[in-house]
Amino acid sequence: SQTIHQWPATLVQPVGSPLSLECTVEGTSNPNLYWYRQAAGRGLQLLFYSVGIGQISSEVPQNLSASRPQDRQFILSSKKLLLSDSGFYLCAWSPGHYRQETQYFGPGTRLLVL
Amino acid sequence: DQQVKQNSPSLSVQEGRISILNCDYTNSMFDYFLWYKKYPAEGPTFLISISSIKDKNEDGRFTVFLNKSAKHLSLHIVPSQPGDSAVYFCAASWGLQGDSWGKLQFGAGTQVVVTP
Repeated sequence: SQTIHQWPATLVQPVGSPLSLECTVEGTSNPNLYWYRQAAGRGLQLLFYSVGIGQISSEVPQNLSASRPQDRQFILSSKKLLLSDSGFYLCAWSPGHYRQETQYFGPGTRLLVL
Repeated sequence: DQQVKQNSPSLSVQEGRISILNCDYTNSMFDYFLWYKKYPAEGPTFLISISSIKDKNEDGRFTVFLNKSAKHLSLHIVPSQPGDSAVYFCAASWGLQGDSWGKLQFGAGTQVVVTP
């Protein structure tokens, strides 16, 4: 069966510091991968998605970036965090084979920027 | 532009009764709809989905209804249980190739509280 991991679970960072969140998927190959953010009391906002190694599409212009160095690894980064980057970050995967697909989410990372 | 809307931010229901969650969408190109359940500080868990070629899909206590003409879908939970207390998100996607393929648009969520 497939599993998705995210770490760290919680992160407190000062404004202006760098960020690296990691997501890995097991039990599947060549999945579509996604990064979402949920701000407090809000819905899920798609930040980035990837259909293959090195292929990243950005949905929202911001100071965040994403990379996919390996087939089942997805990384969310920032060079300098802003207060507005605080939120709950979720990684998700889907099989990438069909037009209509379910996305499956990881446990999330809670980021607090102070 | 919010293309998927959940207009009820919260819902309170008694244990054993039916919970009905509603979702409206504006993009007529959407052809796949999903419901997710989310507990605090956890990732959303997939509950049930429906393709636009159907108007109903059932899985145990969960049933999703789709009314394409009204651009409306609903999730029925029968009977409601205390463990159902969570935030429920409606999501929709459209199956065009290229940039739109596989991407989901989420509603803002409905907080369900099931009371004993």
